[in-house]
Amino acid sequence: AQKITQTQPGMFVQEKEAVTLDCTYDTSDPSYGLFWYKQPSSGEMIFLIYQGSYDQQNATEGRYSLNFQKARKSANLVISASQLGDSAMYFCAMWEEDFGNEKLTFGTGTRLTIIP
Amino acid sequence: DVKVTQSSRYLVKRTGEKVFLECVQDMDHENMFWYRQDPGLGLRLIYFSYDVKMKEKGDIPEGYSVSREKKERFSLILESASTNQTSMYLCASRSTGYNYGYTFGSGTRLTVV
Repeated sequence: AQKITQTQPGMFVQEKEAVTLDCTYDTSDPSYGLFWYKQPSSGEMIFLIYQGSYDQQNATEGRYSLNFQKARKSANLVISASQLGDSAMYFCAMWEEDFGNEKLTFGTGTRLTIIP
Repeated sequence: DVKVTQSSRYLVKRTGEKVFLECVQDMDHENMFWYRQDPGLGLRLIYFSYDVKMKEKGDIPEGYSVSREKKERFSLILESASTNQTSMYLCASRSTGYNYGYTFGSGTRLTVV
């Protein structure tokens, strides 16, 4: 089974609209972390937001928020008021630690295109 | 500004060549990672290292090796490059006990012909 599933290979969104990028995960570990990264055409992975499994509140960072639904194992990224510069690949990733060995597992990504 | 620097942005090598991909970080991080990125597959972990001279296999280590002689440098080695190793390679680092904030380099796009 996939550890991280992103079901939207591509999305087109009108500028200034809000957008939700889906991410579901699979783990039996009670302690884990969820990340979202942005990858523009330049190739660099840019950290956007982090949610710990024990965090009570949904994480927010400026226009980014993470809709964390633990029972559903869902960690969707919400971008409010989208901008042209938001066009990029977006990756969801899960951090786990097992007997001192850590692992960051990525989904297959969603290509977001913002339309003027 | 903290940085992870990958020595080459683009690289073209011939089948059978020995290829070195270099990664240097200036944040004194203990942990360093090598991923490869392919369309439709996301990022997959090749090798990682928790300390100098220490290495652990990731999900897809076959055909690769690594070297970490100094804390700041983590090298990925393709002993005999093959066309199926054509990919984008990303290096990352982070500090121990800090469970977010992986810092990535800009990537090396390797083409094996």
